[in-house]
Amino acid sequence: AQTVTQSQPEMSVQEAETVTLSCTYDTSESNYYLFWYKQPPSRQMILVIRQEAYKQQNATENRFSVNFQKAAKSFSLKISDSQLGDTAMYFCAFIKYNNNDMRFGAGTRLTVKP
Amino acid sequence: DTAVSQTPKYLVTQMGNDKSIKCEQNLGHDTMYWYKQDSKKFLKIMFSYNNKELIINETVPNRFSPKSPDKAHLNLHINSLELGDSAVYFCASSAQDGVVAQYFGPGTRLTVL
Repeated sequence: AQTVTQSQPEMSVQEAETVTLSCTYDTSESNYYLFWYKQPPSRQMILVIRQEAYKQQNATENRFSVNFQKAAKSFSLKISDSQLGDTAMYFCAFIKYNNNDMRFGAGTRLTVKP
Repeated sequence: DTAVSQTPKYLVTQMGNDKSIKCEQNLGHDTMYWYKQDSKKFLKIMFSYNNKELIINETVPNRFSPKSPDKAHLNLHINSLELGDSAVYFCASSAQDGVVAQYFGPGTRLTVL
């Protein structure tokens, strides 16, 4: 079974600085997808970024980028120029190719301080 | 233009009651899901429906029953509610092949007294 581990239950960062959230996963699959979701206090789950395992290039979405290390089974999220609105729970998620069973990590609570 | 909607957003009820949560998506997706998020924020899949067929059932008590009248709707009915059912329930949808992300509704906070 696939497992997703987020080893940082809580993190904080000063506004405008950069922060990296860690995620590791365990799988024997070679083709899969990884995601980061954000859950602000409003509790809405918002897709931040996704990465296909077969792509070597790291995904980027504006201030959000990932460092995908397939051999190490690591998928970290970097948030640049942190904003107060980035304060939220961040969930790393894994899904096998052609499968609908998404597995989530336990989440990292990020607080952006003014 | 809400993509995935759920009603109600809040539900407070007494133990032993039966309740339903409704979900609708207008994304044209073929697969819909129900997740439970517990008090520690852990998200776990409960059900998945693909074109009105159940394809995942993660050892959820049979008091929980998903009902899909069509591929745009997936409702969750809960019988004989228990205190431990208190949680936030999320509906989500995705394209059939699962290679794109799942898109979530706003969640329903269920409180059982």
